[in-house]
Amino acid sequence: AQSVAQPEDQVNVAEGNPLTVKCTYSVSGNPYLFWYVQYPNRGLQFLLKYITGDNLVKGSYGFEAEFNKSQTSFHLKKPSALVSDSALYFCAVRDGGGGGNKLTFGTGTQLKVEL
Amino acid sequence: DTEVTQTPKHLVMGMTNKKSLKCEQHMGHRAMYWYKQKAKKPPELMFVYSYEKLSINESVPSRFSPECPNSSLLNLHLHALQPEDSALYLCASSGPSSYNSPLHFGNGTRLTVT
Repeated sequence: AQSVAQPEDQVNVAEGNPLTVKCTYSVSGNPYLFWYVQYPNRGLQFLLKYITGDNLVKGSYGFEAEFNKSQTSFHLKKPSALVSDSALYFCAVRDGGGGGNKLTFGTGTQLKVEL
Repeated sequence: DTEVTQTPKHLVMGMTNKKSLKCEQHMGHRAMYWYKQKAKKPPELMFVYSYEKLSINESVPSRFSPECPNSSLLNLHLHALQPEDSALYLCASSGPSSYNSPLHFGNGTRLTVT
């Protein structure tokens, strides 16, 4: 069975500082990993994905994520946080070794960027 | 702006009412999804349609009835709902290679059951 863990319910960071939102996963086959962001009263927006290849993936709005196979992690990062980055972030995984078309989401991390 | 359009944005219904949620996408995606999301929680998968056929039903109660009239439209028919069904209902679609295609979400319908 596939699973995703986001160990932090909330992350606080000052504007201009780097941010990291953590994600670890468990799959039986190859992982297909995604990050989404959700602003209040909106749907989820796709930020970036890892399928194969370079372990550092760049996405929308200056976000990037690093795939680490040995640590089964896919942490989301941004070099300089903005107040407008404050939102709910979800990591998600599909299991390339089975599980069909199901995308499993983590529990979400609330990011708060303060002035 | 999202490329997946959901209507209505808000819906209040009584437990004896019948209503429908609608979803439309024009990206040529052949997989479409319904999710239910409670506040500050991850989306919970309800149904998946692939090439207009129901491929996944996550043991959803029969008071929720999905329908896919064509490749661009997805409906969710609601009947005899319970207050605990109040939630944000999200529609999503994805491209032909489902494993590596991201989901594109609509902004949802905020449903309140009274």
